[in-house]
Amino acid sequence: DAGITQSPRHKVTETGTPVTLRCHQTENHRYMYWYRQDPGHGLRLIHYSYGVKDTDKGEVSDGYSVSRSKTEDFLLTLESATSSQTSVYFCAISGLNTGELFFGEGSRLTVL
Amino acid sequence: AQSVTQLGSHVSVSEGALVLLRCNYSSSVPPYLFWYVQYPNQGLQLLLKYTTGATLVKGINGFEAEFKKSETSFHLTKPSAHMSDAAEYFCAVSGTGSGGGADGLTFGKGTHLIIQP
Repeated sequence: DAGITQSPRHKVTETGTPVTLRCHQTENHRYMYWYRQDPGHGLRLIHYSYGVKDTDKGEVSDGYSVSRSKTEDFLLTLESATSSQTSVYFCAISGLNTGELFFGEGSRLTVL
Repeated sequence: AQSVTQLGSHVSVSEGALVLLRCNYSSSVPPYLFWYVQYPNQGLQLLLKYTTGATLVKGINGFEAEFKKSETSFHLTKPSAHMSDAAEYFCAVSGTGSGGGADGLTFGKGTHLIIQP
C-alpha cells in the first residue's frame, strides 16, 4: 500500500471555524491531490500540487486553500467552514508514470 | 475537458451472474482510463487501468475492461459475481495531456454494485 496518511480521520466542527486537514506521504511523489466525495457526485478535485509551493485549483476550489511546504505534506484548509463542506475528503498522490492515483483512507468532516 | 459517465448509480446482480458496469468518457486527448473500487469506509483501490497497447485489460479480483475507442467506452466486467464484490465502483479518465495529466483524474459519479445471494 502507498504510504499515505490523512489526519484527522474524523472531525466535527461548527460553522465559521477554521479547519485544516493534513496529508502525509512517504513515497516522495511529486504530485498530490485533494478530492471531496459526496453522494451522487463521485469524487471532485479541490486542489492539487505539482511540487513544493506549486499548487493549482481544481473543479471545486471555492472556500478551500492549500499549502505544500515540504514534498511529503499537503495541507487543505477551510478558512471558515460551512455546512456545504460536510464531506469525506481524500488525499491522493501520483508518480505520473501512468497517471494512476493512490488514495489515502479519507477524512470525514462534519460541519454543524 | 474530460468527462466520465457511468450508467446506473446502482446495479444489482445475483451471485454467480455476469457483472457489467458501464463507463463512457469524453477526452480531448488519447485517454488513460481507470477503474477503482471502494469498500465501505475505505479509500479507493485501483482495479485496472488502460494506458496504451492491448485494449482488453485484466485487473485484480477477476475483473477486466475493454477500451473501445469508436464507442468511447471502457466497460467493466466479471464473469461470475461474488458476495465480496459488493462495493462502489468508479471509472476515471486522465487529465489533459497524454500520459496522465498533472491535474489528476476526472471521476464518474460511481456505481454501487449489489450482489444478491
